[in-house]
Amino acid sequence: GIQVEQSPPDLILQEGANSTLRCNFSDSVNNLQWFHQNPWGQLINLFYIPSGTKQNGRLSATTVATERYSLLYISSSQTTDSGVYFCAGPDNNYKLSFGAGTTVTVRA
Amino acid sequence: DGGITQSPKYLFRKEGQNVTLSCEQNLNHDAMYWYRQDPGQGLRLIYYSQIVNDFQKGDIAEGYSVSREKKESFPLTVTSAQKNPTAFYLCASSHGTNTEAFFGQGTRLTVV
Repeated sequence: GIQVEQSPPDLILQEGANSTLRCNFSDSVNNLQWFHQNPWGQLINLFYIPSGTKQNGRLSATTVATERYSLLYISSSQTTDSGVYFCAGPDNNYKLSFGAGTTVTVRA
Repeated sequence: DGGITQSPKYLFRKEGQNVTLSCEQNLNHDAMYWYRQDPGQGLRLIYYSQIVNDFQKGDIAEGYSVSREKKESFPLTVTSAQKNPTAFYLCASSHGTNTEAFFGQGTRLTVV
Protein backbone atom coordinates (compact mmCIF):
# COMPACT_ATOMS: atom_id res chain seq x y z
CA GLY A 1 0.00 0.00 0.00
CA ILE A 2 0.90 3.65 -0.18
CA GLN A 3 2.92 5.37 2.52
CA VAL A 4 1.47 8.51 4.04
CA GLU A 5 3.76 10.93 5.81
CA GLN A 6 2.45 13.84 7.86
CA SER A 7 4.38 16.80 9.17
CA PRO A 8 4.99 18.19 11.65
CA PRO A 9 4.17 15.45 14.19
CA ASP A 10 3.36 18.04 16.84
CA LEU A 11 2.35 21.68 16.66
CA ILE A 12 1.82 24.13 19.50
CA LEU A 13 0.03 27.35 18.64
CA GLN A 14 -1.02 30.47 20.45
CA GLU A 15 -4.69 31.26 19.97
CA GLY A 16 -5.13 33.40 16.88
CA ALA A 17 -2.09 32.06 15.06
CA ASN A 18 -2.12 30.50 11.58
CA SER A 19 -0.55 27.16 10.68
CA THR A 20 0.01 24.71 7.85
CA LEU A 21 -0.04 20.92 8.07
CA ARG A 22 1.41 18.80 5.30
CA CYS A 23 0.65 15.35 3.97
CA ASN A 24 2.93 13.53 1.49
CA PHE A 25 2.04 10.36 -0.39
CA SER A 26 4.44 7.77 -1.79
CA ASP A 27 2.25 7.21 -4.85
CA SER A 28 -0.52 9.02 -6.67
CA VAL A 29 -3.94 8.94 -5.05
CA ASN A 30 -7.38 9.30 -6.59
CA ASN A 31 -8.80 11.04 -3.59
CA LEU A 32 -7.65 12.40 -0.27
CA GLN A 33 -9.38 13.11 3.00
CA TRP A 34 -8.52 15.23 6.02
CA PHE A 35 -9.94 14.36 9.42
CA HIS A 36 -9.89 15.90 12.88
CA GLN A 37 -9.95 13.48 15.80
CA ASN A 38 -11.64 15.04 18.80
CA PRO A 39 -10.70 14.30 22.44
CA TRP A 40 -13.32 11.53 22.55
CA GLY A 41 -11.71 9.77 19.63
CA GLN A 42 -14.27 10.43 16.95
CA LEU A 43 -13.00 11.23 13.47
CA ILE A 44 -14.65 14.30 12.01
CA ASN A 45 -14.54 14.75 8.24
CA LEU A 46 -12.91 18.02 7.29
CA PHE A 47 -12.26 17.76 3.57
CA TYR A 48 -12.63 15.32 0.73
CA ILE A 49 -10.23 16.85 -1.76
CA PRO A 50 -8.75 14.82 -4.66
CA SER A 51 -7.27 17.99 -6.16
CA GLY A 52 -7.50 21.75 -6.01
CA THR A 53 -8.45 23.94 -3.07
CA LYS A 54 -11.45 23.93 -0.76
CA GLN A 55 -12.37 26.18 2.13
CA ASN A 56 -14.62 25.69 5.10
CA GLY A 57 -14.65 28.60 7.51
CA ARG A 58 -11.19 29.05 9.03
CA LEU A 59 -9.93 25.85 7.49
CA SER A 60 -8.83 25.30 3.93
CA ALA A 61 -7.05 22.52 2.08
CA THR A 62 -5.07 22.23 -1.12
CA THR A 63 -4.13 19.01 -2.88
CA VAL A 64 -1.55 18.87 -5.68
CA ALA A 65 -2.12 15.34 -6.91
CA THR A 66 0.66 15.41 -9.52
CA GLU A 67 3.19 16.18 -6.79
CA ARG A 68 1.60 13.82 -4.26
CA TYR A 69 0.96 16.19 -1.41
CA SER A 70 -1.80 18.02 0.37
CA LEU A 71 -1.81 20.97 2.76
CA LEU A 72 -4.27 21.86 5.50
CA TYR A 73 -4.37 25.50 6.61
CA ILE A 74 -5.73 26.60 9.95
CA SER A 75 -6.25 30.34 10.27
CA SER A 76 -6.96 32.32 13.45
CA SER A 77 -6.66 29.14 15.49
CA GLN A 78 -8.94 28.55 18.47
CA THR A 79 -8.62 26.21 21.43
CA THR A 80 -11.34 24.05 19.91
CA ASP A 81 -8.98 23.32 17.00
CA SER A 82 -6.83 21.22 19.32
CA GLY A 83 -6.65 17.53 18.55
CA VAL A 84 -5.07 15.21 16.07
CA TYR A 85 -5.34 15.83 12.33
CA PHE A 86 -5.10 12.90 9.95
CA CYS A 87 -4.87 12.69 6.19
CA ALA A 88 -5.73 9.51 4.32
CA GLY A 89 -5.78 8.25 0.77
CA PRO A 90 -6.55 4.97 -1.02
CA ASP A 91 -3.95 2.66 -2.53
CA ASN A 92 -4.39 0.65 -5.75
CA ASN A 93 -6.66 -1.77 -3.93
CA TYR A 94 -8.73 1.16 -2.68
CA LYS A 95 -7.73 0.58 0.93
CA LEU A 96 -7.70 3.88 2.77
CA SER A 97 -4.26 4.37 4.34
CA PHE A 98 -3.66 6.88 7.13
CA GLY A 99 -0.71 8.98 8.17
CA ALA A 100 0.48 9.02 11.79
CA GLY A 101 -1.23 12.35 12.36
CA THR A 102 -0.30 15.85 13.53
CA THR A 103 -1.14 16.67 17.14
CA VAL A 104 -2.20 20.30 17.40
CA THR A 105 -2.36 22.11 20.72
CA VAL A 106 -3.82 25.61 20.75
CA ARG A 107 -3.11 27.61 23.91
CA ALA A 108 -5.35 30.41 25.12
CA ASP B 1 -30.51 10.39 12.00
CA GLY B 2 -28.29 8.99 9.28
CA GLY B 3 -24.95 7.74 10.34
CA ILE B 4 -22.75 4.96 11.62
CA THR B 5 -23.40 3.45 15.04
CA GLN B 6 -20.83 1.45 16.93
CA SER B 7 -21.62 -0.39 20.12
CA PRO B 8 -20.69 -0.66 22.85
CA LYS B 9 -18.55 2.43 23.46
CA TYR B 10 -16.50 0.63 26.12
CA LEU B 11 -15.88 -3.10 26.34
CA PHE B 12 -13.91 -5.16 28.80
CA ARG B 13 -12.85 -8.69 28.00
CA LYS B 14 -11.09 -11.39 29.91
CA GLU B 15 -8.10 -13.03 28.32
CA GLY B 16 -9.06 -16.04 26.25
CA GLN B 17 -12.54 -14.79 25.41
CA ASN B 18 -13.90 -13.84 22.02
CA VAL B 19 -15.81 -10.58 21.77
CA THR B 20 -17.89 -9.04 18.98
CA LEU B 21 -18.03 -5.32 18.19
CA SER B 22 -21.09 -4.02 16.41
CA CYS B 23 -21.15 -1.58 13.48
CA GLU B 24 -24.38 -0.52 11.82
CA GLN B 25 -24.92 2.13 9.13
CA ASN B 26 -28.10 3.57 7.59
CA LEU B 27 -26.36 5.56 4.87
CA ASN B 28 -26.98 2.90 2.21
CA HIS B 29 -23.22 2.60 1.73
CA ASP B 30 -21.82 -0.42 -0.07
CA ALA B 31 -18.34 -0.41 1.49
CA MET B 32 -17.51 -0.84 5.17
CA TYR B 33 -14.21 -0.92 7.04
CA TRP B 34 -12.71 -1.76 10.43
CA TYR B 35 -9.66 0.07 11.75
CA ARG B 36 -7.59 -0.28 14.88
CA GLN B 37 -5.91 2.65 16.63
CA ASP B 38 -3.28 2.29 19.36
CA PRO B 39 -2.37 5.24 21.62
CA GLY B 40 -0.49 7.95 19.76
CA GLN B 41 -0.71 6.07 16.50
CA GLY B 42 -2.55 6.32 13.22
CA LEU B 43 -5.27 3.98 12.01
CA ARG B 44 -4.51 0.53 10.66
CA LEU B 45 -6.93 -1.40 8.48
CA ILE B 46 -8.17 -4.75 9.83
CA TYR B 47 -10.82 -5.81 7.29
CA TYR B 48 -12.91 -4.17 4.62
CA SER B 49 -15.94 -5.15 2.60
CA GLN B 50 -16.92 -3.72 -0.76
CA ILE B 51 -20.26 -5.50 -1.01
CA VAL B 52 -22.56 -7.83 0.90
CA ASN B 53 -21.21 -11.37 1.42
CA ASP B 54 -17.69 -10.33 0.46
CA PHE B 55 -14.78 -9.01 2.51
CA GLN B 56 -10.99 -8.78 2.33
CA LYS B 57 -8.19 -8.77 4.84
CA GLY B 58 -6.50 -5.51 5.60
CA ASP B 59 -3.00 -5.01 6.97
CA ILE B 60 -3.53 -6.53 10.43
CA ALA B 61 -6.28 -9.18 10.05
CA GLU B 62 -4.66 -11.89 12.21
CA GLY B 63 -6.76 -12.66 15.27
CA TYR B 64 -9.88 -10.97 13.88
CA SER B 65 -12.90 -12.15 11.90
CA VAL B 66 -15.82 -10.39 10.22
CA SER B 67 -19.05 -11.12 8.41
CA ARG B 68 -21.15 -9.09 5.97
CA GLU B 69 -24.53 -10.76 5.76
CA LYS B 70 -26.44 -7.48 5.52
CA LYS B 71 -25.57 -4.26 3.75
CA GLU B 72 -26.02 -2.18 6.88
CA SER B 73 -24.06 -4.38 9.29
CA PHE B 74 -20.37 -5.32 9.56
CA PRO B 75 -19.57 -6.90 12.95
CA LEU B 76 -15.99 -7.51 14.03
CA THR B 77 -15.02 -10.43 16.28
CA VAL B 78 -11.82 -10.14 18.26
CA THR B 79 -10.75 -13.69 18.91
CA SER B 80 -8.55 -15.13 21.62
CA ALA B 81 -5.86 -15.51 18.97
CA GLN B 82 -5.37 -11.73 18.91
CA LYS B 83 -2.37 -11.33 21.19
CA ASN B 84 -2.76 -7.66 22.03
CA PRO B 85 -6.41 -6.71 21.56
CA THR B 86 -6.53 -3.67 23.85
CA ALA B 87 -7.11 -0.75 21.46
CA PHE B 88 -9.59 1.72 20.04
CA TYR B 89 -11.64 0.25 17.18
CA LEU B 90 -13.22 2.40 14.51
CA CYS B 91 -15.74 1.41 11.87
CA ALA B 92 -16.25 3.37 8.65
CA SER B 93 -18.39 3.23 5.55
CA SER B 94 -18.47 4.77 2.08
CA HIS B 95 -20.46 4.49 -1.14
CA GLY B 96 -17.53 2.72 -2.73
CA THR B 97 -13.96 1.94 -1.94
CA ASN B 98 -12.74 5.13 -3.63
CA THR B 99 -15.21 7.63 -2.23
CA GLU B 100 -15.49 9.69 0.94
CA ALA B 101 -15.49 7.60 4.09
CA PHE B 102 -17.35 8.38 7.31
CA PHE B 103 -16.59 7.00 10.76
CA GLY B 104 -18.50 5.84 13.78
CA GLN B 105 -17.68 6.97 17.31
CA GLY B 106 -15.50 3.96 18.07
CA THR B 107 -15.30 1.19 20.67
CA ARG B 108 -12.58 1.08 23.32
CA LEU B 109 -11.70 -2.52 24.08
CA THR B 110 -9.71 -3.40 27.18
CA VAL B 111 -8.50 -6.87 28.06
CA VAL B 112 -8.50 -7.45 31.82
